[in-house]
Amino acid sequence: GENVGLHLPTLSVQEGDNSIINCAYSNSASDYFIWYKQESGKGPQFIIDIRSNMDKRQGQRVTVLLNKTVKHLSLQIAATQPGDSAVYFCAENISTGRRALTFGSGTRLQVQP
Amino acid sequence: GAVVSQHPSWVICKSGTSVKIECRSLDFQATTMFWYRQFPKQSLMLMATSNEGSKATYEQGVEKDKFLINHASLTLSTLTVTSAHPEDSSFYICSASRTVTLNTEAFFGQGTRLTVV
Repeated sequence: GENVGLHLPTLSVQEGDNSIINCAYSNSASDYFIWYKQESGKGPQFIIDIRSNMDKRQGQRVTVLLNKTVKHLSLQIAATQPGDSAVYFCAENISTGRRALTFGSGTRLQVQP
Repeated sequence: GAVVSQHPSWVICKSGTSVKIECRSLDFQATTMFWYRQFPKQSLMLMATSNEGSKATYEQGVEKDKFLINHASLTLSTLTVTSAHPEDSSFYICSASRTVTLNTEAFFGQGTRLTVV
């Protein structure tokens, strides 16, 4: 059931600033990682992915960094816009596994105009 | 990108009744679909893996007799919440992968908000 009092960590940034959202993953066998954006009442929306043979990948206004040594993933959003306000989840997968994604706990991004 | 459609977007039902949620891959075939549940301010938790033409695989703690999954075709999986109770109220989300190869992007439906009164 619902955990009363559970709060998502929140990152507040000013419009135009860069945002960095972090994620720690637990399974050292994971070799595929995805960042999703979820707006209120909607399903997750794919942002960018990265495979374990890379440590950086860039998209449009977004960059994902992967540090396998410390099992850390980050999402950088350049020139953050109000439309970027949402909850962001990292997800991991294992190529030899069942292909169901394991989601991190999420971070709420609030962009102040 | 590929499109996954869920129906209905929201549903309110009385306690004790059953509710069916549909998940369709509109422009690709999905041999495997996944059903997640998300409570407010929490992450997505995998409930079950739906395999076309075979029985679903349920995660530990998820009652298979309560959450019936049917994956009768390569484009449709259904989740039926039987004898729903208020504690089943949640946001249910399905996802599907385009191919059967490894490490492919999963596409998500828009979710179904279930409220049991």
